[in-house]
Amino acid sequence: QKEVEQDPGPLSVPEGAIVSLNCTYSNSAFQYFMWYRQYSRKGPELLMYTYSSGNKEDGRFTAQVDKSSKYISLFIRDSQPSDSATYLCAMTSSTGFQKLVFGTGTRLLVSP
Amino acid sequence: DAGVIQSPRHEVTEMGQEVTLRCKPISGHDYLFWYRQTMMQGLELLVYFNNKAVMDDSGMPKDRFSAKMPNASFSTLKIQPSEPRDSAVYFCASSRLVNEQFFGPGTRLTVL
Repeated sequence: QKEVEQDPGPLSVPEGAIVSLNCTYSNSAFQYFMWYRQYSRKGPELLMYTYSSGNKEDGRFTAQVDKSSKYISLFIRDSQPSDSATYLCAMTSSTGFQKLVFGTGTRLLVSP
Repeated sequence: DAGVIQSPRHEVTEMGQEVTLRCKPISGHDYLFWYRQTMMQGLELLVYFNNKAVMDDSGMPKDRFSAKMPNASFSTLKIQPSEPRDSAVYFCASSRLVNEQFFGPGTRLTVL
């Protein structure tokens, strides 16, 4: 079983919908949680970064961490066709500070 | 800044041949990472460097893979001999002492 599990999708939504992307993990030592966005044939780019539990908001994006359930989420409000991409969660412990463990990614398709 | 630069962007080779992938990190970044991405396994860390020294290569098949960083602005990942199962997209990423890795555009490797 993988340390980080993520539904591969694809997740298809109409423009303007609220999108919820999720990851579960098994390693309770994970403290830092990130979401990367990857467009087709491009490298991943960092979207959101949170430490420990709680919420963080940046524009249309909200990252949520529930350490008690070992569950993290990324919400996208007012989704746009330009949000169509693969979203990867990533996480690390404080000891392996730079060694990220990635989910396999969820492909999101936002139709106009 | 030009970002992380990788070459070649595409490589097609035959089984048994040597393959060398190249990476130029962002100037001033102390960490350099090599990842492999496949549909089945997602993004896997192969090796990472801190100030040119290997910090962790536990994800790298050492019988055929080798990674070097001869100076702060250049790294190579070599596969010898290559096998069809090595077909994947290889990403290089760099970062400073924060949890934000900047990825290059990747090298798409096909081993026939």
